Amino acid sequence: GAGVSQSPSNKVTEKGKDVELRCDPISGHTALYWYRQSLGQGLEFLIYFQGNSAPDKSGLPSDRFSAERTGGSVSTLTIQRTQQEDSAVYLCASSSAGNQPQHFGDGTRLSIL
Amino acid sequence: GEDVEQSLFLSVREGDSSVINCTYTDSSSTYLYWYKQEPGAGLQLLTYIFSNMDMKQDQRLTVLLNKKDKHLSLRIADTQTGDSAIYFCAESRSTGNNRKLIWGLGTSLAVNP
Repeated sequence: GAGVSQSPSNKVTEKGKDVELRCDPISGHTALYWYRQSLGQGLEFLIYFQGNSAPDKSGLPSDRFSAERTGGSVSTLTIQRTQQEDSAVYLCASSSAGNQPQHFGDGTRLSIL
Repeated sequence: GEDVEQSLFLSVREGDSSVINCTYTDSSSTYLYWYKQEPGAGLQLLTYIFSNMDMKQDQRLTVLLNKKDKHLSLRIADTQTGDSAIYFCAESRSTGNNRKLIWGLGTSLAVNP
């Protein structure tokens, strides 16, 4: 498709399980971002990939969170040993360059039981 | 996002104009953005303005930029119930060799019939 695609759209899992969230950016976009949005809150920056540069991981809240971007395209955000406070909507965005408009996917709603 | 500030709530009557305000901190920001988020959806780019402009108009939307005061505003003319959403302001900020967007916490706009 033409936009940013995220999967799954919803994920419910038990506390302690690992989860993987996927993001397909817009074709040709070199920059990719992951954000977290808790209920009624703003955007919390998690991680930023720009081309072949080392990712900016400064927003990852703990070492249970990691992300990869393979081949400069698809990205996977992994949360290990999930906790209830990880419940949130995880949003992915991509842009053609670091200061260009970011285009968002519809997010993955993660619920930890 | 704590360096980009927005008021949290705004309530207007249908047909009136809405003005959403934002203050930012980086005088070297090149672009400033307004995004809209409807319930359960991702963020939709509404409009953006380059830092060498004072004003940008796009149909019912008018963006005003005061670089001296680092103040950005979004005016929505003839506000409709469909404009009810959260509006996020973002500035493009330099971080080392990269630029990334710094987000406000969002202004929740309620349009009353």
